[in-house]
Amino acid sequence: GAGVSQSPRYKVAKRGQDVALRCDPISGHVSLFWYQQALGQGPEFLTYFQNEAQLDKSGLPSDRFFAERPEGSVSTLKIQRTQQEDSAVYLCASSLGGATNEKLFFGSGTQLSVL
Amino acid sequence: AQKVTQAQTEISVVEKEDVTLDCVYETRDTTYYLFWYKQPPSGELVFLIRRNSFDEQNEISGRYSWNFQKSTSSFNFTITASQVVDSAVYFCALRGSGGGADGLTFGKGTHLIIQP
Repeated sequence: GAGVSQSPRYKVAKRGQDVALRCDPISGHVSLFWYQQALGQGPEFLTYFQNEAQLDKSGLPSDRFFAERPEGSVSTLKIQRTQQEDSAVYLCASSLGGATNEKLFFGSGTQLSVL
Repeated sequence: AQKVTQAQTEISVVEKEDVTLDCVYETRDTTYYLFWYKQPPSGELVFLIRRNSFDEQNEISGRYSWNFQKSTSSFNFTITASQVVDSAVYFCALRGSGGGADGLTFGKGTHLIIQP
């Protein structure tokens, strides 16, 4: 596609459920990032992939959060046993090269609400 | 640790006025990169500019201009002759080079409202 695509756009989960959020980056983009954006706040870094390699997962808030990009294109962010504090917009971004200081292209995000 | 401060939570101006969004940053890295992104109501952040720490030249792009001052650790953004379409949340962000996390450090954003 022309841009970064994320699905679903909205997700409502009951506390304790597992969720999976999908990101389709721009074709050919090497780098892929996940960010978490709480209401009224700036995005916060979660994790970074260069192709299929997860080079940085320092921002993942707990071991309930897991991300993968097995073939170096589509990525999935999984949250196990969701809790209310996980409610946020999850943004995916990609960039063309392997440097982490490049211009990012963002998707529209997945808004997760945990009840 | 890196930090980006956008002290203005919300700014409201009337169309055609000039408006400046402030950004102050903190980093111990000697090489770093500063960014501005725009987030319209659709939610998708849109890249506006990237500036590296060695380039203090101010930049102008149409109605947008950026003033980078290392002496005050600021990277302010000015919109001249604002338009309703400029209404959005604007984020300043920082990427260091000292081996910290690979992602950007964002400020909390400034919600800009342009009234017709």
